[in-house]
Amino acid sequence: AQKVTQAQTEISVVEKEDVTLDCVYETRDTTYYLFWYKQPPSGELVFLIRRNSFDEQNEISGRYSWNFQKSTSSFNFTITASQVVDSAVYFCALSEAQGGGTSYGKLTFGQGTILTVHP
Amino acid sequence: DAGVTQSPTHLIKTRGQQVTLRCSPKSGHDTVSWYQQALGQGPQFIFQYYEEEERQRGNFPDRFSGHQFPNYSSELNVNALLLGDSALYLCASSSTGGEEYFGPGTRLLVL
Repeated sequence: AQKVTQAQTEISVVEKEDVTLDCVYETRDTTYYLFWYKQPPSGELVFLIRRNSFDEQNEISGRYSWNFQKSTSSFNFTITASQVVDSAVYFCALSEAQGGGTSYGKLTFGQGTILTVHP
Repeated sequence: DAGVTQSPTHLIKTRGQQVTLRCSPKSGHDTVSWYQQALGQGPQFIFQYYEEEERQRGNFPDRFSGHQFPNYSSELNVNALLLGDSALYLCASSSTGGEEYFGPGTRLLVL
């Protein structure tokens, strides 16, 4: 069975601070995908980033960056120079691969981390 | 380009009643998934529809059923509502090889 653990329930920072959200996952699949989603108060989940299990290269996209380490089953997400608009609940999610790896199966979500950025 | 739309936005029902929630996928998407999100929790996968068939199902009882129409829109039906069914119900759509886009959800309150 797949499992995603986000140990940080809540994080509070002051604007312009960097913040890292932790995610640890469990899966028996050799091919899988990892995601980060953001859920503002409106409730709609917003896709942020995706990584497949064969690509451990860490990248930066604007103020977002991620650190994927298969050896520790971790997929951490960093927001650089946080802004008040970043305040939301952040979810890490895991998906198996389907159709020969061409599509995603069900998403297994963590419990979420509430991020509050103070001005 | 309209994103994923869901109706209604809010719903209040009483125990034992039945409810139908609706979802229209993003243009170009042919796969629809449904998730239940209880307050303070992460979303839980209910099931996924592709080509009008249920392709995958999560750990939910048979009271939860669904349907996908030829235009790829979908319905989620819940029978014999329980207090514990109160939650935000999220619909997500995707196309082959693409990530899931979520709708704004339907907030269901069971009294």
